[in-house]
Amino acid sequence: ETGVTQTPRHLVMGMTNKKSLKCEQHLGHNAMYWYKQSAKKPLELMFVYNFKEQTENNSVPSRFSPECPNSSHLFLHLHTLQPEDSALYLCASSHILDGLRDRNTQYFGPGTRLTVL
Amino acid sequence: QKEVEQNSGPLSVPEGAIASLNCTYSDRVSQSFFWYRQYSGKSPELIMSIYSNGDKEDGRFTAQLNKASQYVSLLIRDSQPSDSATYLCAVRYSSASKIIFGSGTRLSIRP
Repeated sequence: ETGVTQTPRHLVMGMTNKKSLKCEQHLGHNAMYWYKQSAKKPLELMFVYNFKEQTENNSVPSRFSPECPNSSHLFLHLHTLQPEDSALYLCASSHILDGLRDRNTQYFGPGTRLTVL
Repeated sequence: QKEVEQNSGPLSVPEGAIASLNCTYSDRVSQSFFWYRQYSGKSPELIMSIYSNGDKEDGRFTAQLNKASQYVSLLIRDSQPSDSATYLCAVRYSSASKIIFGSGTRLSIRP
């Protein structure tokens, strides 16, 4: 596989369920991101990982728990979600954002369409 | 609060005409600028990136950057129905390790 892949592509879960979203990048990048995209709202950055270390948590509720075991894999563990958490969850990767040379382009996976009942 | 602003549209352009999409940003200390295209139900895909003042051309697409006026634009020449999508402007601020996205402009190319 090439690029950024995400599984599952669609997920329906109840508020008491526990589920996980998976992202894998095959681009040799060392930074990975989780975004949330709700209808008619801008992309919301949730988490940033650089070299497996979390460098950004954008005030995300604790019912979302990220995990980055290595630079190629990123997970988002979901627990006791609310209906308003229904959205498209996008994973992206890039080279580390540094000031030396601009390699900041982020490449997105296809997303997971999450519905919370 | 650093912001990236776009007109939400929809912007309707006849087929074959030039579509002009604009984006303004609030922080003068900005480094990198990106245009992404997003079809309904799909993820964003990169169209253009631009880092220096002036124009950058790639096929039918031209990105224009004016740092003094703090805007970046995307021109699409010879618009095709397949160009109908939402276009997202994104800005990386030099002080940040992340990229800020605008809310997007919905473009509709009418045959």
